[in-house]
Amino acid sequence: EAQVTQNPRYLITVTGKKLTVTCSQNMNHEYMSWYRQDPGLGLRQIYYSMNVEVTDKGDVPEGYKVSRKEKRNFPLILESPSPNQTSLYFCASHRYNEQFFGPGTRLTVL
Amino acid sequence: GQQLNQSPQSMFIQEGEDVSMNCTSSSIFNTWLWYKQEPGEGPVLLIALYKAGELTSNGRLTAQFGITRKDSFLNISASIPSDVGIYFCAGRYTGNQFYFGTGTSLTVIP
Repeated sequence: EAQVTQNPRYLITVTGKKLTVTCSQNMNHEYMSWYRQDPGLGLRQIYYSMNVEVTDKGDVPEGYKVSRKEKRNFPLILESPSPNQTSLYFCASHRYNEQFFGPGTRLTVL
Repeated sequence: GQQLNQSPQSMFIQEGEDVSMNCTSSSIFNTWLWYKQEPGEGPVLLIALYKAGELTSNGRLTAQFGITRKDSFLNISASIPSDVGIYFCAGRYTGNQFYFGTGTSLTVIP
């Protein structure tokens, strides 16, 4: 089954404690993205990747890092999380225009 | 970043009624996309539009790419309870940056 998986699905952490949210896709897509979803703001693109070792900033990259060492994986790293990064995060992969989204990771930073 | 304004923000309708929502942008796009998000899940692509003036249907859903390339419209005919969810528009100019609207929350009353 074609899918995008994210882990963990829920995470509560404290300010400054580094964390990684993993994302994996099994569709052999070149393109992958990370979004955050906040009430009233829709989804905003954080980072995207066009292929292995090729990444670029989206609309709201501050405070986030990504890496793309393998085609299937695209982890999101928060080196020093802050409360304003409390949000619902989605990973997506696509070829052309149809993005396939993961189930989301709800992050709370205290 | 790009601002996509979606309206209305929310709708409460009776089952069987038709629904209309729209999305406007401050910039032109080459592609318009419409997604639906159900509770606890990631968005799922409903319709993709690639040309100004294009009208595309997917079952009871019809979407149009505005001729100015700065707007798009989604209509749902004869709504049913499973149409409940949040509907997002998204625009893409070139490359891999996608810009999402703020969402329209649809509630269908049986």
